[in-house]
Amino acid sequence: KNEVEQSPQNLTAQEGEFITINCSYSVGISALHWLQQHPGGGIVSLFMLSSGKKKHGRLIATINIQEKHSSLHITASHPRDSAVYICAVTGNQFYFGTGTSLTVIP
Amino acid sequence: DTAVSQTPKYLVTQMGNDKSIKCEQNLGHDTMYWYKQDSKKFLKIMFSYNNKELIINETVPNRFSPKSPDKAHLNLHINSLELGDSAVYFCASSQGSWQPQHFGDGTRLSIL
Repeated sequence: KNEVEQSPQNLTAQEGEFITINCSYSVGISALHWLQQHPGGGIVSLFMLSSGKKKHGRLIATINIQEKHSSLHITASHPRDSAVYICAVTGNQFYFGTGTSLTVIP
Repeated sequence: DTAVSQTPKYLVTQMGNDKSIKCEQNLGHDTMYWYKQDSKKFLKIMFSYNNKELIINETVPNRFSPKSPDKAHLNLHINSLELGDSAVYFCASSQGSWQPQHFGDGTRLSIL
């Protein structure tokens, strides 16, 4: 079993929809990261969280340390948001989730 | 100006060969990393260097060796390449260990 589980694995949404991607982890962590991998392969770090909530533009990330759970929300989704979103946690090691492939249809 | 640059972008070679992938960052970061992304798109940390010291070394084969001539460079040397080494290798850097990272564009390694 992977130390970091993401759901859903694949997600298709209509442009404008509100999107939620979930991440659960089973290890003790010092921080949680959300990454975005574009179809061309490039990886961008979106957020690093250790508590609470962070917002950047239309993206919001939350974390609940007690429940070992984080969510990434995208408001007013757009086709350019189509990418793979990866959750990763840092504890004594660095663990990655398997990613959520998001497709936003115009 | 590219922040984290890897070369080459593509590398096709035969089994048994020795190859290197170079990585340079111009962000002044003190920590650099190498990741492997397999065919199922699963990312895994391989190495991390902080101030020229190896601070994490996952259970990768010792055929893989990171070499850091200075804080701005972390090169990956691979000896006796095997079919299972085919993957995309990403370099990244951050200011402080496990802080938000900047990634290179990846090097796609294909073993024939």
